[in-house]
Amino acid sequence: GAGVSQSPRYKVAKRGQDVALRCDPISGHVSLFWYQQALGQGPEFLTYFQNEAQLDKSGLPSDRFFAERPEGSVSTLKIQRTQQEDSAVYLCASLNRLPGQGEGNTEAFFGQGTRLTVV
Amino acid sequence: RKEVEQDPGPFNVPEGATVAFNCTYSNSASQSFFWYRQDCRKEPKLLMSVYSSGNEDGRFTAQLNRASQYISLLIRDSKLSDSATYLCVVIVNTGGFKTIFGAGTRLFVKA
Repeated sequence: GAGVSQSPRYKVAKRGQDVALRCDPISGHVSLFWYQQALGQGPEFLTYFQNEAQLDKSGLPSDRFFAERPEGSVSTLKIQRTQQEDSAVYLCASLNRLPGQGEGNTEAFFGQGTRLTVV
Repeated sequence: RKEVEQDPGPFNVPEGATVAFNCTYSNSASQSFFWYRQDCRKEPKLLMSVYSSGNEDGRFTAQLNRASQYISLLIRDSKLSDSATYLCVVIVNTGGFKTIFGAGTRLFVKA
């Protein structure tokens, strides 16, 4: 498709359940980010990939959160033993180019997000 | 202290008003700057990039002050459709590039 695609759009999980959220970035975008957005807040950085390499995972809130991008395209964010405080919208974004690289402007393109509700 | 800070608002303004938002960033390795717009229950979308020389796009003007580490967005002749949350975004060179968002400023434009 033409944009960043995330699935599922909505997920309801029982507390303690594991979940996996998928992101399909725009083809050719090497940089991919995951964010967590709580209601009324801005997106909070979770982790960042450049191709298959996870360059920064400093925003992951606990070791229950794990992200991968094994082939440098699709990425999965996994949350183990979900807790109620994990309820949020999880946004994925990809950059069309790195700052200073090539012509044109850098822009982050977002998927529509996965709304996770832990009950 | 958050790396990118914004006044959360809300700003309540009448149609036709001029409104300005500021954003400050703390990391001197910040390299690129943007304003994104987010409508309720939607994903953020790029409004405009912010250049050192300042830039204008119709009713919107963005400015960057690197010395003081702040970014501004000015909206002239506000429309009802401008009601949204405006997110300040900074890309920081950390060896890789990390994209950091402010918490957003909410704007309500009233008839």
